Amino acid sequence: EVQLVESGGTLVQPGGSLRLSCAASGFTFRSYAMNWVRQAPGKGLEWISYTSASGSSIYYADSVRGRFTISRDNARNSLFLQMNSLRDEDTAVYYCARDVTGLYFFDYWGQGTLVTVSS
Amino acid sequence: DIVMTQSPDSLAVSLGERATVNCKSSQSLLYRSNNKNYLAWYQQKPGQPPKLLIYWASTRESGVPDRFSGSGSGTDFTLTISSLQAEDVAVYYCQQYYSRPPTFGGGTKVEI
Repeated sequence: EVQLVESGGTLVQPGGSLRLSCAASGFTFRSYAMNWVRQAPGKGLEWISYTSASGSSIYYADSVRGRFTISRDNARNSLFLQMNSLRDEDTAVYYCARDVTGLYFFDYWGQGTLVTVSS
Repeated sequence: DIVMTQSPDSLAVSLGERATVNCKSSQSLLYRSNNKNYLAWYQQKPGQPPKLLIYWASTRESGVPDRFSGSGSGTDFTLTISSLQAEDVAVYYCQQYYSRPPTFGGGTKVEI
């Protein structure tokens, strides 16, 4: 069974940093591209970052480029999101999502981890 | 970026009746070389992550009941629930994957 479990979400002050993790199991992690998608409270879905299966291709939404860094450790079946210079508008549930063969749609999602940016 | 616009924002449907959700993209999602529309539909129930229902505009994901169907091409798409069940109460999102960044519609809340 495919499982994606996010962790690391918490309350952080504006300007602060946070690192999210996503532990994958039930599939060959190193064979799949992965993404982070977020959802502000009561709002819709926003894709924010993609990494190819090897990590050699990485893309970001304009809203986070230069502040967030996606990475992965295929030996540990883990995906990460380093979040710096956090803003109020980054408050959201962050989901890791498995990509369908690099096509940018998502067949499995984690339960999400809540990041709250507030002073 | 491709803008995805869903309508209506919400709708109430009686049990057993048909529910129709519309999605319009700001540019065509039809890739002519393979004749595929790069559009997916997701269902999100309260407190849960989104679940993939349909991709390529009309291909049901494995395990999705056949009362869910997708149609449309180019810029106009529809998700239809042929006979609404209580467990279908959710927010439904369309998403284009024709070009990066992938973008979602604003969602349609389906209620009984």
